Amino acid sequence: EVQLVQSGAEVKKPGESLKISCKGSGYSFSNFWIGWVRQMPGKGLEWMGVIYPGDSDTRYSPSFQGQVTISADKSISTAYLQWSSLRASDTAMYYCARSYGDNNWFDPWGQGTLVTVS
Amino acid sequence: EIVLTQSPGTLSLSPGERATLSCRASQFVSSNFLTWYQQKPGQAPRVLISGASRRATGIPDRFSGSGSGTDFTLTISRLDPEDSAVYYCQQYGSSPLTFGGGTKVEIK
Repeated sequence: EVQLVQSGAEVKKPGESLKISCKGSGYSFSNFWIGWVRQMPGKGLEWMGVIYPGDSDTRYSPSFQGQVTISADKSISTAYLQWSSLRASDTAMYYCARSYGDNNWFDPWGQGTLVTVS
Repeated sequence: EIVLTQSPGTLSLSPGERATLSCRASQFVSSNFLTWYQQKPGQAPRVLISGASRRATGIPDRFSGSGSGTDFTLTISRLDPEDSAVYYCQQYGSSPLTFGGGTKVEIK
């Protein structure tokens, strides 16, 4: 079974750094793109960016370029989303999801990681 | 970037009724690269339809997608109480990928 398992909920203070993870299993992790999607409380879905774990080729949405860093470690089938200095406006649920391309649909999705900055 | 506008915002229908959800793009979506997702409360989204009309594995045939160019539709032919959810469209024809704002389907 293809599965993405994300790290647990985080509570942080403004200005702190954070790195959340997304571990893939049941498929060849290196050969599929992984995307990150933000969902602010009570709001819709926003595409943040994608990474190809095979060579770490990364694409960012213009809205998130420079605000976050996406990375991956193919040796442990894990992708990451990190912030160097959190803001209250980063409070949201963050999902990772597998994709067939740098510009494609997502399936399956991880269970989500809730990040609270307060 | 392509802006996707979904309507209506909320749809309230009875079990067995037909639901028609609209997704309108601000620009032509190339190759009908449009996907529909379902998100139930407290859950991650799951894909229903890709390529505008191709049902994902395991999705009941009461869900169907249609449309092309700038106008797309998700139809749920006979609503089941388990279909209560928010439905999102997403285009992947051009970068950046964009999602619509969602349509909430309530079952009376």
